[in-house]
Amino acid sequence: QKEVEQNSGPLSVPEGAIASLNCTYSDRGSQSFFWYRQYSGKSPELIMSIYSNGDKEDGRFTAQLNKASQYVSLLIRDSQPSDSATYLCAVEPPSGSGGYNKLIFGAGTRLAVHP
Amino acid sequence: DTAVSQTPKYLVTQMGNDKSIKCEQNLGHDTMYWYKQDSKKFLKIMFSYNNKELIINETVPNRFSPKSPDKAHLNLHINSLELGDSAVYFCASSYGGDTQYFGPGTRLTVL
Repeated sequence: QKEVEQNSGPLSVPEGAIASLNCTYSDRGSQSFFWYRQYSGKSPELIMSIYSNGDKEDGRFTAQLNKASQYVSLLIRDSQPSDSATYLCAVEPPSGSGGYNKLIFGAGTRLAVHP
Repeated sequence: DTAVSQTPKYLVTQMGNDKSIKCEQNLGHDTMYWYKQDSKKFLKIMFSYNNKELIINETVPNRFSPKSPDKAHLNLHINSLELGDSAVYFCASSYGGDTQYFGPGTRLTVL
């Protein structure tokens, strides 16, 4: 079983719509969760981090965490063509499992926002 | 004022050669990482150093040897390169367990 799973996509949404990206993880003790955006040929850049159950909003982005279901999601409101990229979910496992600052990445979901 | 820089950006070499990739960060961070992103875009951690001490050493062939001369630098030396080593290698840095910032990547092609 993969440690962090994401639908590879592509997820295609029209401009102005809400894009919903999902991620599940296997290590129940994980405490820190991150969403990175990666444009083609570029390096990953942090979009959101979330540590507690519930929602966290930052501009057009909302991260949602449900530890009981081992599920984290990213919503992008008013999607723009410039949001077209691969979105990587990353999870930091408990430090006791050799997880000191270690991030486990999912394979990423490719988002395509069309005008 | 580049935060995390890597050299070279591209590296094309023959099988069996030895090559090095260098990384430098000017963010004042104490932890640096090497990640490998394969052709399927899967990003996987290889090594991490905290204050020049190796703290993460994933299951990586011993042909790969990281070295951190100081907190701001982390190098990766690869011996006897193989076709399967072709990938993009990203350096990253953080302050303790805070956000990791990635460098621009080094695209390694082994022929």
